[in-house]
Amino acid sequence: EAQVTQNPRYLITVTGKKLTVTCSQNMNHEYMSWYRQDPGLGLRQIYYSMNVEVTDKGDVPEGYKVSRKEKRNFPLILESPSPNQTSLYFCASSQGSHYGYTFGSGTRLTIV
Amino acid sequence: AQKVTQAQTEISVVEKEDVTLDCVYETRDTTYYLFWYKQPPSGELVFLIRRNSFDEQNEISGRYSWNFQKSTSSFNFTITASQVVDSAVYFCALSEALRGSYIPTFGRGTSLIVHP
Repeated sequence: EAQVTQNPRYLITVTGKKLTVTCSQNMNHEYMSWYRQDPGLGLRQIYYSMNVEVTDKGDVPEGYKVSRKEKRNFPLILESPSPNQTSLYFCASSQGSHYGYTFGSGTRLTIV
Repeated sequence: AQKVTQAQTEISVVEKEDVTLDCVYETRDTTYYLFWYKQPPSGELVFLIRRNSFDEQNEISGRYSWNFQKSTSSFNFTITASQVVDSAVYFCALSEALRGSYIPTFGRGTSLIVHP
């Protein structure tokens, strides 16, 4: 089944403790992206990647890092999480930059 | 200014009513793409449709239809004979080539509640 898999689905952690949210897709898509969803703000892009080793900042990249060492994986790294990063995070992939995205199931992240 | 404006924050209808979700976009590109996504209460995001800027033909898929009008920079979504299962948050998105690639910007979403 074609899908984007994110892990974990839920995470509660403390301020400053490094964490990684993994994202993997099995569709051989070149494009991958991370979004955060907050009430009243819709979906805001954090980082995107157009191919292996090619990443760029989205609209809200502060406090996040990403890497794209393999085509299928695009992890999101929070080196020193803070409470304002509490949000619902989505990873997405696409076969091309102007095609519709396939989204993962989301990661509900709470930082206390 | 928002690039994608979904002015309706929440719409409430009774089953079998028709409902239109508005989407107004802003771009200087001549080539761009518009999308609609659905987010049901379960939380996942589902791609519904993509339209490019050179194709203003309206599209119908079952009870869903989309009206693209470049003259008003709008890409509205109509659900005919709404059902409870249509209850969801719907997002409109725009992809432009401003950063060398087409990366979508999303509107803030419209929450549709269909009452039985």
